[in-house]
Amino acid sequence: TQLLEQSPQFLSIQEGENLTVYCNSSSVFSSLQWYRQEPGEGPVLLVTVVTGGEVKKLKRLTFQFGDARKDSSLHITAAQPGDTGLYLCAGVPSGTYKYIFGTGTRLKVLA
Amino acid sequence: GAVVSQHPSWVICKSGTSVKIECRSLDFQATTMFWYRQFPKQSLMLMATSNEGSKATYEQGVEKDKFLINHASLTLSTLTVTSAHPEDSSFYICSAQRGPRVGTGELFFGEGSRLTVL
Repeated sequence: TQLLEQSPQFLSIQEGENLTVYCNSSSVFSSLQWYRQEPGEGPVLLVTVVTGGEVKKLKRLTFQFGDARKDSSLHITAAQPGDTGLYLCAGVPSGTYKYIFGTGTRLKVLA
Repeated sequence: GAVVSQHPSWVICKSGTSVKIECRSLDFQATTMFWYRQFPKQSLMLMATSNEGSKATYEQGVEKDKFLINHASLTLSTLTVTSAHPEDSSFYICSAQRGPRVGTGELFFGEGSRLTVL
């Protein structure tokens, strides 16, 4: 059972377009992290969201944690080819000590 | 920031041989390390949680005799793929936690190790 479902699974867009990636779970998380991974490399942490309803911005990336701390979203404004990669949400479901990853969203931004 | 190093970054071996992958936290002590497996174009699947000085906790479906994990010190965890077969070919990634509480965000990843079994 995958506790963290991401959507969409794949996304191919033109440079300059906006997009939103969703990370959903039936479990509560004390915090969620978002990562970006390039082929052949380990994931790189983008942000950690901790408080329900929290919104964090990182340049053109906006991250939101759901009020119930069961879901999160990543919004990219004016996507650029350099944003291409695998985006992963991750966290520890309440009641466990396992750090798990979402199903992943593969983004390709075309120039 | 904290650094986690994996070695080797890639390895090719013959079927039936064993391969050891090391995960080191270079500038902090890691009580807990996680081992993941990643197939092409897929997400990271947790294989096991490694705790220093105790036995690793394996996820359902992961053969503990196949994937031996040793976390003998606070800076080193090893994953040994025993009697490797082509289906074991994958990208293996470790992560090390800095701090006592899992899920605080203080998790650092190695560069990954690509295993190819011929």
